[in-house]
Amino acid sequence: EPEVTQTPSHQVTQMGQEVILRCVPISNHLYFYWYRQILGQKVEFLVSFYNNEISEKSEIFDDQFSVERPDGSNFTLKIRSTKLEDSAMYFCASSPAGVRRSGKLFFGSGTQLSVL
Amino acid sequence: AQKITQTQPGMFVQEKEAVTLDCTYDTSDPSYGLFWYKQPSSGEMIFLIYQGSYDQQNATEGRYSLNFQKARKSANLVISASQLGDSAMYFCAMRARETSGSRLTFGEGTQLTVNP
Repeated sequence: EPEVTQTPSHQVTQMGQEVILRCVPISNHLYFYWYRQILGQKVEFLVSFYNNEISEKSEIFDDQFSVERPDGSNFTLKIRSTKLEDSAMYFCASSPAGVRRSGKLFFGSGTQLSVL
Repeated sequence: AQKITQTQPGMFVQEKEAVTLDCTYDTSDPSYGLFWYKQPSSGEMIFLIYQGSYDQQNATEGRYSLNFQKARKSANLVISASQLGDSAMYFCAMRARETSGSRLTFGEGTQLTVNP
């Protein structure tokens, strides 16, 4: 069964450094998302992406964050200058038809980001 | 604003018994969708079941069923014949047009433990 792939599974970085989290969504999916989960807390929406542009972003997704689909397969989340509070599990997800229509988002296994 | 509430931080069930995980929601949008995801200790998010607000029948997927009570704004997950592999965190989530409809809002989660 096709799956969403995220790399790396763990990332450790120093505060103030830039990190790029990588995702390969399922190949025929059109909608892409990033969510995050701080340890012990809810899963939180960050951003949705469709047709090569951001379709929605949350209040968490400030100027420090950016997303890109540099080619036909990868979808990346960049944090420009990491802060301690950015430490979390970051999930990439994709869906064929968007949340409005279908019920199903396919999530990756996540990247655990630790900012020291 | 939309809101999802899971009031059971932890639940225990005996293997082979049924268990109900509670979820209540609040939205002013007449069109919305409700989801349940499973998160095992390995961390990935696994889609279980979806219910649209206009669906006439309760959703079912194998051993999972969603007890949708629209007037009470509840969408409880019922797992029949629990298995040891069902031990995991379970999240209820909702999408609504209030926020353009492209994001899911998650509840706090319920940690289910299945005892042998």
